[in-house]
Amino acid sequence: KAGVTQTPRYLIKTRGQQVTLSCSPISGHRSVSWYQQTPGQGLQFLFEYFSETQRNKGNFPGRFSGRQFSNSRSEMNVSTLELGDSALYLCASSLDAVANYGYTFGSGTRLTVV
Amino acid sequence: AQSVAQPEDQVNVAEGNPLTVKCTYSVSGNPYLFWYVQYPNRGLQFLLKYITGDNLVKGSYGFEAEFNKSQTSFHLKKPSALVSDSALYFCAVRDGRITGGGNKLTFGTGTQLKVEL
Repeated sequence: KAGVTQTPRYLIKTRGQQVTLSCSPISGHRSVSWYQQTPGQGLQFLFEYFSETQRNKGNFPGRFSGRQFSNSRSEMNVSTLELGDSALYLCASSLDAVANYGYTFGSGTRLTVV
Repeated sequence: AQSVAQPEDQVNVAEGNPLTVKCTYSVSGNPYLFWYVQYPNRGLQFLLKYITGDNLVKGSYGFEAEFNKSQTSFHLKKPSALVSDSALYFCAVRDGRITGGGNKLTFGTGTQLKVEL
């Protein structure tokens, strides 16, 4: 069965622009989480959606937003990009609301802001 | 608040020798614990998890981990290391009490495992 699909794999944007990243979870998974990975800060939680509702949000500015659609696909948006937003953005999906079956991660989107 | 500590930035081991990657955690409720591995320019691959049950958990690729509640540890082990095991390993925790508040994983800083011939 297909895994978690993130698109695009690589992205280069200019400071001040905005960007939208997409995540398609494993079929039947209803929870989607987003994480930012940087060399300096490591893996940091951005937000989590379950059945189209944001249930939890990390300590990121309001420039970072997301949403989940009725088919469980999720998008995250970053507006007014800064150089420090350059990172690997990872999406994870889980089957249920409490992750009893764990989390499956996608390969990530590498965002470079120039 | 939940937290994870991986005290070693790098672990070096000879191929064929046993390996241990250390992890300690802090969480208010019962811990959900995970190990993931990351190869260069890739996402995280699931190795194993502990939610409840036996303290010794067996996972993918011959890895195992032992949950120790008194020491709040969840060390990753493998009896015989392979060069192909060389990668970045992450321990993660989730507070098991949060049944409706969301799935938030807190990760350690990662341990680079280097297996040499």
